[in-house]
Amino acid sequence: SQTIHQWPATLVQPVGSPLSLECTVEGTSNPNLYWYRQAAGRGLQLLFYSVGIGQISSEVPQNLSASRPQDRQFILSSKKLLLSDSGFYLCAWSRGRSGYTFGSGTRLTVV
Amino acid sequence: SQQGEEDPQALSIQEGENATMNCSYKTSINNLQWYRQNSGRGLVHLILIRSNEREKHSGRLRVTLDTSKKSSSLLITASRAADTASYFCATDGTGGGADGLTFGKGTHLIIQP
Repeated sequence: SQTIHQWPATLVQPVGSPLSLECTVEGTSNPNLYWYRQAAGRGLQLLFYSVGIGQISSEVPQNLSASRPQDRQFILSSKKLLLSDSGFYLCAWSRGRSGYTFGSGTRLTVV
Repeated sequence: SQQGEEDPQALSIQEGENATMNCSYKTSINNLQWYRQNSGRGLVHLILIRSNEREKHSGRLRVTLDTSKKSSSLLITASRAADTASYFCATDGTGGGADGLTFGKGTHLIIQP
């Protein structure tokens, strides 16, 4: 069966520090991969999506970047975090036009 | 920008009652999906309804879709305390590719025992 792993679960980082969140999928190949951010009391905002290795599409300009070094690995990064980067980050995968499977999320607090 | 807008933003009912949540969207869709999110957790896919479908059932869940009104509803029958969560609708647009779902802001449902 397919599983998705996302870590860490919580992270507290100082302003100006770098960020690396990792997401891996098991049990499937060539998945579509996504990074979403959820601000408190709001819906999910799509940040990046990827349909294949090295293929990254960005939905909104921001202080973040994404990479897909392997078929089932998706990484969200920042060189210098801002206070506004705080939020709940969710990784997800899908195949075709089907339901998405989400990871358990990372609560990022920038202080 | 947000595509789906859930209504109401919050809903509190007694255990055993039915809960109805609505979603409106703005553009053409390929399908519409409903997700549940328990506090501080990831989202769980509940049900997907395609643009050519009008109603779909899954256990205690019933989803309707009216593409002429660009709206959908999620009905949870015989609610339980464990149904307490936030519920989101998400639309998959008609554009090609895997460019992500667009989520609403969600309805926070509280089931009182």
